[in-house]
Amino acid sequence: QVQLQESGPGLVKPSETLSLTCSLSGGSISGYYWGWIRQSPGKGLEWIGDIYYRGITNYNPSLNNRVTMSLDTSTNQFSLKLTSVTAADTAVYYCARLHFAFDVWGRGTTVTVSS
Amino acid sequence: DIQMTQSPSTLSASVGDRVTITCRASQDIGHWLAWYQQLPGKAPKLLIFKASNLQHGVPSRFSGSGSGTEFTLTISGLQPDDFATYYCQQNNSYSRTFGQGTKLEIK
Repeated sequence: QVQLQESGPGLVKPSETLSLTCSLSGGSISGYYWGWIRQSPGKGLEWIGDIYYRGITNYNPSLNNRVTMSLDTSTNQFSLKLTSVTAADTAVYYCARLHFAFDVWGRGTTVTVSS
Repeated sequence: DIQMTQSPSTLSASVGDRVTITCRASQDIGHWLAWYQQLPGKAPKLLIFKASNLQHGVPSRFSGSGSGTEFTLTISGLQPDDFATYYCQQNNSYSRTFGQGTKLEIK
């Protein structure tokens, strides 16, 4: 079955760029949207954005143009970059497949923004 | 942006109860509404998609209804594993939005 796994640094300094990768196994990136969602400590879910396998992107406007997503069909991976991070970006970051809804999720990776 | 408002924020119930959670959209989203369950420390799990379609493997005690701007998630015959936080989410627009969540607690 399709599985997703997030990877990337667990600690990022303020003003730097957060970079995460999601690796897909048991399926293909083709044909779907792939998304990133985050959850700040003790808070609800926040949609960050998603990317279609052909490269079309949709981003949360509240993130003020700090988000870039990309994907690589040859490696079955997609990525998130969030620039100019602050403590408010500390969260668990999830990657997920979007097929009518977010139907497959990774386990999540915790990213802390701190100097 | 489409805003999603869930009610109540917290709900106390007992095993065996029937409970209903409501989600309201700030504009018409048709049937493009999903419900998720999140257990503490775990990733969310899709329960319902397109307002009323049960995701494969989800018990039939979960059901969803609604269209347009008002939607409900009903759990009939609460089980111990159902005490969790529930989120609605709209997929009508290219800017997806989650509700703020409803925490279902044991009474």
